[in-house]
Amino acid sequence: DSGVTQTPKHLITATGQRVTLRCSPRSGDLSVYWYQQSLDQGLQFLIQYYNGEERAKGNILERFSAQQFPDLHSELNLSSLELGDSALYFCASSPRWGSLETQYFGPGTRLLVL
Amino acid sequence: AQTVTQSQPEMSVQEAETVTLSCTYDTSESDYYLFWYKQPPSRQMILVIRQEAYKQQNATENRFSVNFQKAAKSFSLKISDSQLGDAAMYFCAYRVTGTASKLTFGTGTRLQVTL
Repeated sequence: DSGVTQTPKHLITATGQRVTLRCSPRSGDLSVYWYQQSLDQGLQFLIQYYNGEERAKGNILERFSAQQFPDLHSELNLSSLELGDSALYFCASSPRWGSLETQYFGPGTRLLVL
Repeated sequence: AQTVTQSQPEMSVQEAETVTLSCTYDTSESDYYLFWYKQPPSRQMILVIRQEAYKQQNATENRFSVNFQKAAKSFSLKISDSQLGDAAMYFCAYRVTGTASKLTFGTGTRLQVTL
């Protein structure tokens, strides 16, 4: 158990819908990262937050957005969902931004868009 | 742009034997970190081992060790005394130091362990 929690574990929804994925980092970790793992794109970095502020952006679609709250949990919002958004979404956390610390991954949220 | 290449989509090893998974990367940075993550059927991403680029000594964690060749930009993972529980997807990952701390992953190697 990495100490990073993600809810829900599974999510099934329809095209055009909007969903919210939630992540709680390890106790004391200030940095949260979101990754998407799909069959055709592999593991890709989406976005990073540090202590409530966005720090880095990767291949995140405009239909997707994220935020980190004062209690350091983070939410990834996916809207106008398409079939191709079906994937495993990971959250990872580390103590500091740009530091030596390793990123520890949560169990992931499996999203299926029908 | 940094890229990570794992040229072996699948590997197989017999229980108790040794196997080496390959990884190469491309970067113009001199200071960075390299990682191997394991993803078992549960899909959890588990850190196996990490290596700091400034360290010449290869990292070791129990039965897992790496062969880090900085000039060749190569970072292979050796698993000794393979066990059934080692069967998983293995991902090589790269992270530059400083502000851009995202992980860049390779495409993975599926390791099968046979009796």
